[in-house]
Amino acid sequence: NAGVTQTPKFQVLKTGQSMTLQCAQDMNHEYMSWYRQDPGMGLRLIHYSVGAGITDQGEVPNGYNVSRSTTEDFPLRLLSAAPSQTSVYFCASSARTGNTEAFFGQGTRLTVV
Amino acid sequence: GDSVTQMEGPVTLSEEAFLTINCTYTATGYPSLFWYVQYPGEGLQLLLKATKADDKGSNKGFEATYRKETTSFHLEKGSVQVSDSAVYFCALSDLRGYSTLTFGKGTMLLVSP
Repeated sequence: NAGVTQTPKFQVLKTGQSMTLQCAQDMNHEYMSWYRQDPGMGLRLIHYSVGAGITDQGEVPNGYNVSRSTTEDFPLRLLSAAPSQTSVYFCASSARTGNTEAFFGQGTRLTVV
Repeated sequence: GDSVTQMEGPVTLSEEAFLTINCTYTATGYPSLFWYVQYPGEGLQLLLKATKADDKGSNKGFEATYRKETTSFHLEKGSVQVSDSAVYFCALSDLRGYSTLTFGKGTMLLVSP
């Protein structure tokens, strides 16, 4: 069972570069979210989606874009990386009804130099 | 907006000691409450949950009771093990879905033999 898969696991970027963090889930979950985890800050919501074609901003959306063209995939785009975006990024998914558990990926550790 | 406050760590205990990690929340409506655990280098896993007032969530010897009158969801375990060493996050979800969570900052638990 793959669950939620994030790629890459590690990435180093230079300031100003762009990249896409990939997230895919094979559980047919309607809801997907992106978080960043910083020391002493817990996890903070960046963007979320309640279904294909529907996305919305979370607590810290600036500098990030998302799209949801399929149920399975929810990529996170950094348009122009900044050192303040150095963080560990987690993707999560959950069903719309029934099981109330969110499933998390293993994370992507991003360093912007 | 919604918020979660949990005790700061690290919490250092000897094996077989009693554990309490305090968690209080502020939310409009009636959120679901969760405890997630993160082992080193891994993503988050659901530990237990409660979806309405007075519900008790339990798993692997851990327990927490949804107290609406005190807006609390304290995590307890009667006898901790070295393998319980991890970071514990209290979280709540709202109408945006169960993968759209507001997290506390996390509490690191270190258990020594």
